Order: sequence, then structure tokens, then C-alpha cells
Amino acid sequence: DAMVIQNPRYQVTQFGKPVTLSCSQTLNHNVMYWYQQKSSQAPKLLFHYYDKDFNNEADTPDNFQSRRPNTSFCFLDIRSPGLGDAAMYLCATSRETSGAAFFGQGTRLTVV
Amino acid sequence: GDSVTQMEGPVTLSEEAFLTINCTYTATGYPSLFWYVQYPGEGLQLLLKATKADDKGSNKGFEATYRKETTSFHLEKGSVQVSDSAVYFCALLNTGFQKLVFGTGTRLLVSP
Repeated sequence: DAMVIQNPRYQVTQFGKPVTLSCSQTLNHNVMYWYQQKSSQAPKLLFHYYDKDFNNEADTPDNFQSRRPNTSFCFLDIRSPGLGDAAMYLCATSRETSGAAFFGQGTRLTVV
Repeated sequence: GDSVTQMEGPVTLSEEAFLTINCTYTATGYPSLFWYVQYPGEGLQLLLKATKADDKGSNKGFEATYRKETTSFHLEKGSVQVSDSAVYFCALLNTGFQKLVFGTGTRLLVSP
């Protein structure tokens, strides 16, 4: 049973056209993360929520935004995708005390 | 800041060979340590974890021991299978910062 679900698995968007990726979880974890992973690289943290508190990484471009309307859902908005934003986007959740993060299957974003 | 260093890959082995993938870390305090595995086109799956010094994490024949004195968390398996071919990521979580820090990943290729 999927516990962290990302939709869609594959997303194609046009250069400069806003796109939203979604993530939902059934684990009731209080922390949710968004990572960007480019080919053959380690995942790079973009931001995370601790409950409703939003934490942005210092080097995350302003082009990337996030929303967490409730515990279960989190969205990644890319306001004006560039070719360099093509990547796999991974959502993960964790419960603070255990620390183990559970990842979704990812959304592969292609920018044309 | 916190960091994780993994051996570079790819690691190429024959089936039933012994596997070691080295991982060392730098962190303040007492982080938790993890190994994640990523199969092609998929998200990351938690393979094993250890939360304090001398803990041994194990799963599916893989093992890793948290060595505080050498700041290491090397991944081992006694007999690899073709199905173990994947990318393996070592990671640490410093709970005070609530975010995973990943190594660069090591690709494992197992041939029949």
C-alpha cells in the first residue's frame, strides 16, 4: 500500500508555463520534504515543512514555491520552469522522533 | 556543516560476491544514519538505519554498523544478487535540523 503518493509520475511542461506537482501521505507524519534530483546526482533538498512551519533552503531558487494546506498534502509549484529545472522531484515524509524518511516514487519533470 | 562521503562507483560485482560500500560522515551531535536504495526510475526506499553508536542496521541481507570512533556506516552484504543492482545512498539526519543529508550515491552493478 502506497504511503507517500506523488502525482503525476511523469509531467511534461512548456518552458515558462507554471506547473504544480502534488504529494499526499497516509502516514500522518508531521514533516514533509521536497527534493530535486538530477541525473546521477544525490537528491537536493529544496524545502521542508515541520507541521505548518515552512523552511526554505538558502539556495532554492525563488522560482520554486510550496504549499501545505493540511497534514496529508503538499504541493510544489514551479512558477516559470526553465530547461534546467528538468529533474526528478521527490517528496518525502518523516516523523520527527524516528527520523526515517519515506519517499514517494517521484515525478519526472520534462521541460520542452 | 553536516556532510556524507561515499565511495565512488560504479561498483561492479559478480553474483554471490561480497559487497562493501564505504560511507563516512561529518556531523555535530549524534546523528541517525541511513542507507537508501534507488532502483531505476523510482524513488528512494529506506534499506536500513541506525540511531546511535554501535547500532547495527540490517535488512534483506544488508548490514551496516554505526561506528562513532571512525564516523563510518559502511554497507555490507555477504552475497549479492543481480536484483541488488541499484544506486545506494548513505544519509544522515541531525534531528536538530530536521533534514536528511545525502551522500552522492554509489551505483552497484551485479552481473550473473
